[in-house]
Parts: sequence; C-alpha cells; structure tokens
Amino acid sequence: GQNIDQPTEMTATEGAIVQINCTYQTSGFNGLFWYQQHAGEAPTFLSYNVLDGLEEKGRFSSFLSRSKGYSYLLLKELQMKDSASYLCAVEDSNYQLIWGAGTKLIIKP
Amino acid sequence: GAGVSQSPRYKVAKRGQDVALRCDPISGHVSLFWYQQALGQGPEFLTYFQNEAQLDKSGLPSDRFFAERPEGSVSTLKIQRTQQEDSAVYLCASSLDRPSQETQYFGPGTRLLVL
Repeated sequence: GQNIDQPTEMTATEGAIVQINCTYQTSGFNGLFWYQQHAGEAPTFLSYNVLDGLEEKGRFSSFLSRSKGYSYLLLKELQMKDSASYLCAVEDSNYQLIWGAGTKLIIKP
Repeated sequence: GAGVSQSPRYKVAKRGQDVALRCDPISGHVSLFWYQQALGQGPEFLTYFQNEAQLDKSGLPSDRFFAERPEGSVSTLKIQRTQQEDSAVYLCASSLDRPSQETQYFGPGTRLLVL
C-alpha cells in the first residue's frame, strides 16, 4: 500500500527553528511536495524536491533522501503566522499526489 | 482568473439531496483535480481531468459521485443522494500542464455538511 507518515502536531517558539519530518512508501516516485494549509483555507505550495538534497527558499528549506524515503521541511525564524498545518505529498508513478495527514504546527510567543 | 475559485463555499444538504459543486480553474490550466478532505486529514484524490477528458476517476468513492468538465475549463462535481459520510471539504486544484512535477494551485474549497 501507499503510505505517508508525518507527526500529527508540533509546538515551537516564535523565532526558533522547527523541522517537520515526512516518511513515505509509494508505488513509484516523481517528486515530493510540501504545502502549507491555514485552518479553513486551501493548501498553498511551499516546495518541491525530486533530487536528493536540500532546497532552500527564504526561511523555508526542504530536504529529500529518496533512498531512505524521507523528507523534512525546515522552518527558521518562526513567526506567529507560520501556525498552520504542513502537508507532505508524494507524486507516485501514476502522477497522482498521495497526501499525508498533515502536521499541525503551533507557534507560541 | 487570478486563482482557482469554487462555489458555493458552504453547502448544507439534507441526506438524500443531490448537490453540485463548481470549480473555476486558473485560465489556461490544462489539468484539474478534485479532492475530498476530512477534518484533520490530508486531501484524498477523487478524480483528474486533462482538458475535457476525465483520465482518472479511481478515487470517486461510489457511483453517487460524478464529475464533468465539458469544455475543458469549469468543472462540476455532483453528488447524488448525499449521505452523512459525504460531509467534508471538497477541494479543486489546477495545474498548468499534465501532472508530473507541476505545482497544483488549490481553490478555497466547498465545505459540505450533510444532515
């Protein structure tokens, strides 16, 4: 079966750094996406990885290891507005996005 | 348009009613997806269109669910004889080209509550 695992909830402090992990088992791999979703809103694209390594984009970075079926999203200099759910999604061999349940990130002052 | 739009934003239906949910994708986007998202869960794939062709409907949970995109732009997801378990947020997303490494842009969703 296809499976995406990520922690249900994480808490971090404003100004700090947090790493959200995602492990996956899918039938084929065509890339991994991270999306941010604020409560009651649509998911918005954050990052895409298809090759091993780190992709940096401002305060957000995403890492991929295909051999380990593992990715993480790193958020630096946390702001209160970063409180949201972070969804990991893998594009499988049928070009379907398989989604994790999301990690709810709570930022405390 | 500026983004993906969906209507209605909220829909309350009595069990057994038929509902129709509309999606207006970003102009020029070839691919269109429908997802169902339960509270606290990630989106679950329902169906995919490339232009007017429905290429994948493997995620539709039953034959009560039907989707169309007759002119390759606006799409409608219809649910017949709604059941309580159909209560969820229905998300529409579009992307510029066929899938594979293309970012999907999501609409705000339609929150369906079946009583």
